Amino acid sequence: DQQVKQNSPSLSVQEGRISILNCDYTNSMFDYFLWYKKYPAEGPTFLISISSIKDKNEDGRFTVFLNKSAKHLSLHIVPSQPGDSAVYFCAARPGSARQLTFGSGTQLTVLP
Amino acid sequence: NAGVTQTPKFQVLKTGQSMTLQCAQDMNHNSMYWYRQDPGMGLRLIYYSASEGTTDKGEVPNGYNVSRLNKREFSLRLESAAPSQTSVYFCASSETGVETQYFGPGTRLLVL
Repeated sequence: DQQVKQNSPSLSVQEGRISILNCDYTNSMFDYFLWYKKYPAEGPTFLISISSIKDKNEDGRFTVFLNKSAKHLSLHIVPSQPGDSAVYFCAARPGSARQLTFGSGTQLTVLP
Repeated sequence: NAGVTQTPKFQVLKTGQSMTLQCAQDMNHNSMYWYRQDPGMGLRLIYYSASEGTTDKGEVPNGYNVSRLNKREFSLRLESAAPSQTSVYFCASSETGVETQYFGPGTRLLVL
């Protein structure tokens, strides 16, 4: 039973356009959400996060939106660049627990 | 400042052999984690250590043991490797009360 789901295994976008990566969750106890980016043969690196008390967090070209009623979050990358090509994982943490639950990832390819 | 380091980078084992994966962090973090990544499954938590001297099971602990040797080091041991343990293993660390986890580069393990 996957509590964090990324239903799109892959996404292709033209350079300069917007990339939108989606993530759904089922556990209503999740109160903190993160996005990680992973290049081949490297470990995941933290990208951006959002607390459940907010519905939007922005950092440069990256914005995360949280819709608690729909149990849905999305990562927007504007404008997309070829260097953004990577696997993106969303992750969630319930309450005071230390563990993160990860989605299965979305491979983003930004075409020049 | 090396962050999180893992050794070895790659290992081939025969079924039934044992080995220990090493992880060290130089960020003075209290919490450390071991994950495995399998195709289509995202990252799944094997064990974690909230602080020196404590360890707890994660989502998929069967077949593994861990040792928090000191604040810097957290090792993962496979006592009798099985083909189902073929995976990429990531170690991570974080500060107490901070959700962002920092990952090592991973260990690719192949069990024949």
